[in-house]
Amino acid sequence: TQLLEQSPQFLSIQEGENLTVYCNSSSVFSSLQWYRQEPGEGPVLLVTVVTGGEVKKLKRLTFQFGDARKDSSLHITAAQPGDTGLYLCARPRGGAQKLVFGQGTRLTINP
Amino acid sequence: NAGVMQNPRHLVRRRGQEARLRCSPMKGHSHVYWYRQLPEEGLKFMVYLQKENIIDESGMPKERFSAEFPKEGPSILRIQQVVRGDSAAYFCASSPQGSAYNEQFFGPGTRLTVL
Repeated sequence: TQLLEQSPQFLSIQEGENLTVYCNSSSVFSSLQWYRQEPGEGPVLLVTVVTGGEVKKLKRLTFQFGDARKDSSLHITAAQPGDTGLYLCARPRGGAQKLVFGQGTRLTINP
Repeated sequence: NAGVMQNPRHLVRRRGQEARLRCSPMKGHSHVYWYRQLPEEGLKFMVYLQKENIIDESGMPKERFSAEFPKEGPSILRIQQVVRGDSAAYFCASSPQGSAYNEQFFGPGTRLTVL
């Protein structure tokens, strides 16, 4: 069972455009993490959101946690080729230490 | 401060051989996790260890797979009698004791190819 659904699965846009990707669940979660993974490398933690309605900014990236803590979004402003990668959301499973990942959004920014 | 280290980065094995994957956590981190990633998929949890203890191995196949994190030295993920379906990227992550939101830091992965 897929506990986190990410959409879109693939996204290819031109440099300079804006985009939003989503991470949704049918259940409430206590916190959510966003990672970016480049080809041939491991995921790199971008941000953790923990409070419903929370908004965090990381340069051109804006992360939002839904009010009900069932969904999250990542918005990129003026995308650059360096933003290309696989964006993964992840949540702790129940009270356990393990992380459950979505299947990811594969983003390609074309120069 | 060095990050999570994994070796080898690439490993090729023939069916029936053994694969040993090593992971050194970040300095000061006592929790280690192993995940597997198939092409075009997200990461799937395999096992969670602390020093000398397996805490949760619910994601690990019951046969052929084992993991350890000894008192001294790296964590080892061992796959015996590999099959083609074991071909994947295996990632290790670590976190410190008492991490509030279980933020995990990943290594670069070992890409296993079974011929």
